[in-house]
Amino acid sequence: NAGVMQNPRHLVRRRGQEARLRCSPMKGHSHVYWYRQLPEEGLKFMVYLQKENIIDESGMPKERFSAEFPKEGPSILRIQQVVRGDSAAYFCASSPGTGSIQPQHFGDGTRLSIL
Amino acid sequence: AQTVTQSQPEMSVQEAETVTLSCTYDTSENNYYLFWYKQPPSRQMILVIRQEAYKQQNATENRFSVNFQKAAKSFSLKISDSQLGDTAMYFCAFMSGETSGSRLTFGEGTQLTVNP
Repeated sequence: NAGVMQNPRHLVRRRGQEARLRCSPMKGHSHVYWYRQLPEEGLKFMVYLQKENIIDESGMPKERFSAEFPKEGPSILRIQQVVRGDSAAYFCASSPGTGSIQPQHFGDGTRLSIL
Repeated sequence: AQTVTQSQPEMSVQEAETVTLSCTYDTSENNYYLFWYKQPPSRQMILVIRQEAYKQQNATENRFSVNFQKAAKSFSLKISDSQLGDTAMYFCAFMSGETSGSRLTFGEGTQLTVNP
């Protein structure tokens, strides 16, 4: 499968624990985006990364959330000390980052549930 | 900041008929791209169709076509010969063309149900 791979598909955490969500972009894609979808809502942009660089994190909450895209390995979205309001579907998308139009290809999402 | 508005939270259509989903957006930019994504019950995000703002010709992909009215900032999706598998949430999305690798701004979605 050459698509965007996200894992885990489902993640359950208790309040106060840490959540780590992983995303491997499509082969040849160097741009990664994270979006959050709260229940009954549309997707909201969180952060945009290239390898080893955060390009735009204007959609990230100021506290407890961080993201990285290391030189080797998947992109990681990390949520520390999770709260009930963090329950959502988190989608990763990737694009090649070149050319006049760069449609983003999405993974299947990670459903985070906070007990 | 750009905004995308989908004014129809829910719509339904009979199988084999045609339905149009509305989308309007607000931007001060002249170079941008518009997309329709489909999210079926499986929750995947599937790209349906895309439109470059500099192109006057409306995009078409098989049974899916758009009516792009740049001056009115309107980007509606028409689904012809609706099929049961078209049942899904449909999201309209905007992407700036001013910079490489821009974020997508989504509308709140329209839940489409195709009835047999």
